[in-house]
Amino acid sequence: QSVLTQPPSVSGAPGQRVTISCTGSSSNIGAGYDVHWYQQLAGTAPKLLIYGNIYRPSGVPDRFSGSKSGTSASLAITGLQAEDEADYYCQSYDSTLSGYVFGTGTKITVL
Amino acid sequence: QITLKESGPTLVKPTQTLTLTCTFSGFSLSTSGVGVGWIRQPPGKALEWLALIYWDEDKRYSPSLKNRLTITKDTSKNQVVLKMSNMDPVDTATYYCAHRTLDSAYYDYWGQGTLVTVSS
Repeated sequence: QSVLTQPPSVSGAPGQRVTISCTGSSSNIGAGYDVHWYQQLAGTAPKLLIYGNIYRPSGVPDRFSGSKSGTSASLAITGLQAEDEADYYCQSYDSTLSGYVFGTGTKITVL
Repeated sequence: QITLKESGPTLVKPTQTLTLTCTFSGFSLSTSGVGVGWIRQPPGKALEWLALIYWDEDKRYSPSLKNRLTITKDTSKNQVVLKMSNMDPVDTATYYCAHRTLDSAYYDYWGQGTLVTVSS
């Protein structure tokens, strides 16, 4: 149902760098709408991780970074830590749907 | 400190109307630019945006659910209420309310969520 596609899972060893893609279209990311990222630890509510494509809220480690290009966006985690194991969602706005949309979600597993 | 908390029934029957209340503190829905939205998450599935209300009573709904949703606010009680009609088992989900501002399209503070099960 979601118009923003993410890989279902990504894994990495502690200390490694991992990236999560968020692929949209010309009616959402490609139309210039900002992308935001949320981290959801098991059994908890989502937490804002990145807003406005690249900005980190206060308290979010600089290991997390966001980028956007064309119809896609990416979240990168450098120096992966065990506490980063969680589900991650991108979010944007879609002009065709006239509504806010979330990505399909990606589970990060720390090996 | 901004906090939000959802409340409502944990179990509803098919065809019934669900009423959820979001009670918040640390901000006012009479302040220009402030909004409160609802997002849900079926078990093991992705987040889905449902509705949003702003300080000026401007309301937005998910196009796929707009015929079933009604969002209202009670500024004096610091509450936002979401009603969803004609509930179905596929509506079983954790429902979250969250804070946002007009000049941002993201949700910066979330409630803990409330699980609603639809079953006869």
